[in-house]
Amino acid sequence: NAGVTQTPKFQVLKTGQSMTLQCAQDMNHEYMSWYRQDPGMGLRLIHYSVGAGITDQGEVPNGYNVSRSTTEDFPLRLLSAAPSQTSVYFCASSYYIHQPQHFGDGTRLSIL
Amino acid sequence: GQQLNQSPQSMFIQEGEDVSMNCTSSSIFNTWLWYKQDPGEGPVLLIALYKAGELTSNGRLTAQFGITRKDSFLNISASIPSDVGIYFCAGLNSGGSNYKLTFGKGTLLTVNP
Repeated sequence: NAGVTQTPKFQVLKTGQSMTLQCAQDMNHEYMSWYRQDPGMGLRLIHYSVGAGITDQGEVPNGYNVSRSTTEDFPLRLLSAAPSQTSVYFCASSYYIHQPQHFGDGTRLSIL
Repeated sequence: GQQLNQSPQSMFIQEGEDVSMNCTSSSIFNTWLWYKQDPGEGPVLLIALYKAGELTSNGRLTAQFGITRKDSFLNISASIPSDVGIYFCAGLNSGGSNYKLTFGKGTLLTVNP
């Protein structure tokens, strides 16, 4: 059982480039979410999804897009990367929203 | 939005000592969660609390859901070096259209062997 898998683990981008961070889970979880973690800020919710075809914004959604075409996958897109988006990004999932979330190991993204 | 105040921000203790940390909020939560994060990894769930006043243990860890539903506490007894890491509290409300998990900023625990 792989759990929550995030790819890539590390990435360096130039300002203005676009990129998609991948997240997949094999636990048939309905709820999936994306967080960013910055020093001294804890984890902040970017976007979340309560099921296939349904997404909503979290606390810091600007500059990011998401889609949920399948239960398993929840990619996060940066359309035009900015240095302020340098962070560690975590994907998480759970059966339902009111159940504890399981986290992936993160994607460390640097934007120059 | 909702905010959690987690304290202390960091702790440096000797192996064998007990540890206490807490989270408070101005808002009510239906669920309190405690996670631990090791360097280079994602947070791992330690304890979940679903009911006001609930006291739950997981080995040397004990957590409580405050009776006011605005706070939670985590205690670690007889600390060992592998307890080192960042501990996060998180509050969850799942009513109406609010499906957001709010995290505290973490407590960095260092254990001196």
